[in-house]
This record gives sequence, structure tokens and C-alpha cells, in this order.
Amino acid sequence: AQTVTQSQPEMSVQEAETVTLSCTYDTSENNYYLFWYKQPPSRQMILVIRQEAYKQQNATENRFSVNFQKAAKSFSLKISDSQLGDTAMYFCAFTALSSGNTPLVFGKGTRLSVIA
Amino acid sequence: DTGVSQNPRHKITKRGQNVTFRCDPISEHNRLYWYRQTLGQGPEFLTYFQNEAQLEKSRLLSDRFSAERPKGSFSTLEIQRTEQGDSAMYLCASSPQPSGNTIYFGEGSWLTVV
Repeated sequence: AQTVTQSQPEMSVQEAETVTLSCTYDTSENNYYLFWYKQPPSRQMILVIRQEAYKQQNATENRFSVNFQKAAKSFSLKISDSQLGDTAMYFCAFTALSSGNTPLVFGKGTRLSVIA
Repeated sequence: DTGVSQNPRHKITKRGQNVTFRCDPISEHNRLYWYRQTLGQGPEFLTYFQNEAQLEKSRLLSDRFSAERPKGSFSTLEIQRTEQGDSAMYLCASSPQPSGNTIYFGEGSWLTVV
């Protein structure tokens, strides 16, 4: 079974600074996707960024980028130029491509607070 | 495209009562997922459908829980004889095929069992 671990329950960052959220996962699969989802207070979960395991290049979406270390099974999220609107719960998630995609497995989340 | 829609958004019920939640996925999305999320935790997988077929059920889905997607469009999640431990947010999500696609979440249905 796959597991996803987020070791930082809470983090805070000053506005305009950079913050990195950690995620590790455990799997015996070779083909899979990794995701970071954002869940603002009382709002729906939205995708921030995703990474295909077969791609060596780290994914980037505007101010969001990942550091994907396949051998170490590590998948961290870097948020640059943090904004107040980035305040949210952030969840790391995993899905394997075997059997046409296993359902997403989520970590417990990291609560990020951006401070003005 | 109005996104994934869930209702009711909030439900307060007495212990022992039955409740039903409805999810309308994004149109033409083949897959529909149900997750449960408690405060301070990540979503936990309950079950998913591909079209009208229920392909997988988590061990979390006790026999008091049943989900259907009769015509491969909307889905319902029913909880019978609710218990206080059922209090949680029930999230629905959908995705298109092929594999590897992003899944899109609804805003969730909050259940409080008193």
C-alpha cells in the first residue's frame, strides 16, 4: 500500500518570502503521479501542481515549483513570493498508474499561514 | 462547466437517522470519487465509480454506507443509522479518462451527527 507523509503540521512565512513544504511517500510502483493540492479555509480543494514520475524535470507553475527526488521518494513544494492568498492547507497526494489509476492517497496536510 | 456540485452543503442529523448526499460531477467525467475528511486530516478514500460501475471500496466504507451512480452521471452516498463518528466532510471528486488526469473536487458536504 502507498503512504504519503507530510512531517510539518503547520508552517508560517512572511509575505513575499519563500517557503518549502515537505512530502515523502512510500511505494513499490514505478509509474505514478504526485500532486500538491491547496484547500483554503472553507473552500474547495484545488490542484496546485502535479509531477509525472517518469519526468526528470521538476514541474513549475508560476510561483509554485517542486523538487522531485524519485530515489529518495521525496516531493517538496516551494512557494516563492508568498502571498496572503496562499494561506491554506496543503496536501501532497499520490496515484499509481497500475490498473488504470489507483485512487489518490493523501498526506495529513500542512497548514500554511502567510503573515503580512 | 459548473464544476463538481455537492448537496446539501451542511447536514445536522440525530444519531441513528439516515442521510443521503448527492454529487453531480463535471459533465463527461467518467470517474467519480467519494472521500471523507475530518478536521485536521487529509481526505480518506471511500469509493469510486467508472461510469456506473463501482470499482473499489475502502475498508472505511462499513455496511452502513452505500454509494450509487445509477446512470453514470450523478452519484449518491447514503449513510444509514448514523453515528457520531460519522461526523466529517464528505468530498466528491471527478476526473476524465485516461489515467493520470487531475481530479476535481466539489466543495464538500459537512455532516454533523448529534
